[in-house]
Amino acid sequence: GAGVSQSPSNKVTEKGKDVELRCDPISGHTALYWYRQSLGQGLEFLIYFQGNSAPDKSGLPSDRFSAERTGGSVSTLTIQRTQQEDSAVYLCASSFQFSGNTIYFGEGSWLTVV
Amino acid sequence: QKEVEQDPGPLSVPEGAIVSLNCTYSNSAFQYFMWYRQYSRKGPELLMYTYSSGNKEDGRFTAQVDKSSKYISLFIRDSQPSDSATYLCAMGLTGNQFYFGTGTSLTVIP
Repeated sequence: GAGVSQSPSNKVTEKGKDVELRCDPISGHTALYWYRQSLGQGLEFLIYFQGNSAPDKSGLPSDRFSAERTGGSVSTLTIQRTQQEDSAVYLCASSFQFSGNTIYFGEGSWLTVV
Repeated sequence: QKEVEQDPGPLSVPEGAIVSLNCTYSNSAFQYFMWYRQYSRKGPELLMYTYSSGNKEDGRFTAQVDKSSKYISLFIRDSQPSDSATYLCAMGLTGNQFYFGTGTSLTVIP
């Protein structure tokens, strides 16, 4: 696609439920990132995928968070047993493999846990 | 100390003013410098990209990087109400690592 595509764009869920957020990166981009942005806060790095390498999961805040990337393209971020503090916008970004190329963001998935 | 420091504002200017947005950083290894614009309830949109020190101009926007001072700036000339947004600075290392400022909220008043 022309840009990074994320779905759903908005999600309201009850506390304790699981949610899945999907990201389809720009075609040809091998690197994929997930970030979280809370109201008034900066971008919080969650996880990074690069080709077939093991993902960098160092930013995942707890074991309730997991992500996978199938076939080197689409990625799914899963949040289990959601808590109210998980309410935020989850941004996906992608870039070409080689360093020096900047990253391009999707419009985000706006998650509200009630 | 945070890797990247950015004044959150908010910044409010009249239409037509010159706007200066700034970030400082602590890691001298940063090589790539970017500015993103983020409208309300939208994802960040890449505005400017600069490699190493120097200036880059694109229309009404000019990005400056001063690696000796660890300081980057974005200037917006003839600011328009449509420039009202949050501006994020970002810096990159080799290996696809990126570090972001917290964003400066800008309002341009007609």
